[in-house]
Amino acid sequence: ETGVTQSPTHLIKTRGQQVTLRCSSQSGHNTVSWYQQALGQGPQFIFQYYREEENGRGNFPPRFSGLQFPNYSSELNVNALELDDSALYLCASSFGGAGDTQYFGPGTRLTVL
Amino acid sequence: RKEVEQDPGPFNVPEGATVAFNCTYSNSASQSFFWYRQDCRKEPKLLMSVYSSGNEDGRFTAQLNRASQYISLLIRDSKLSDSATYLCVVVTGTASKLTFGTGTRLQVTL
Repeated sequence: ETGVTQSPTHLIKTRGQQVTLRCSSQSGHNTVSWYQQALGQGPQFIFQYYREEENGRGNFPPRFSGLQFPNYSSELNVNALELDDSALYLCASSFGGAGDTQYFGPGTRLTVL
Repeated sequence: RKEVEQDPGPFNVPEGATVAFNCTYSNSASQSFFWYRQDCRKEPKLLMSVYSSGNEDGRFTAQLNRASQYISLLIRDSKLSDSATYLCVVVTGTASKLTFGTGTRLQVTL
């Protein structure tokens, strides 16, 4: 296993609610990236955190926000949930640097009703 | 045009067959390339990195053609356990953002 953990594993919310997803990175890794994977699609990059600072963002609206803590664990927050936010949310940890191998956690499956 | 394009398949092949997947990418400044494997309802796992010189890992061979912006994966002597979705991944820029293709589904049958 990669040593990357995510919680919760599954979550059901209703439209308009807010959700917080958590990720613990692999020991020694200082970079966490978050991805959204809709059914039948490849993962889409949401953003990346490096040493507690946002270090790149994909095409996601501001209601997707994040944090990285001093121990390099991370949170993804989504406000005003929409039906299309239903997806598998993956976090990946790495040591940092372009091209460094990213190791994925098992993901959180979010369903928005 | 999508940044990374793959044929979604499915590719249905018998055990022992050789199968090849291709992928094209649009950004010529991309600097790193990978193949990931994803089993149903699981997270993606790194299969192998891809280099211009080509690289091999057992039954798997990956190749990068920078001039044509094209990546390939060859699987020889397919096993039932190779059944999965294979994701072509490209890294562009300093943020180490992974850009995934939609994946190619492989089903190996008896």
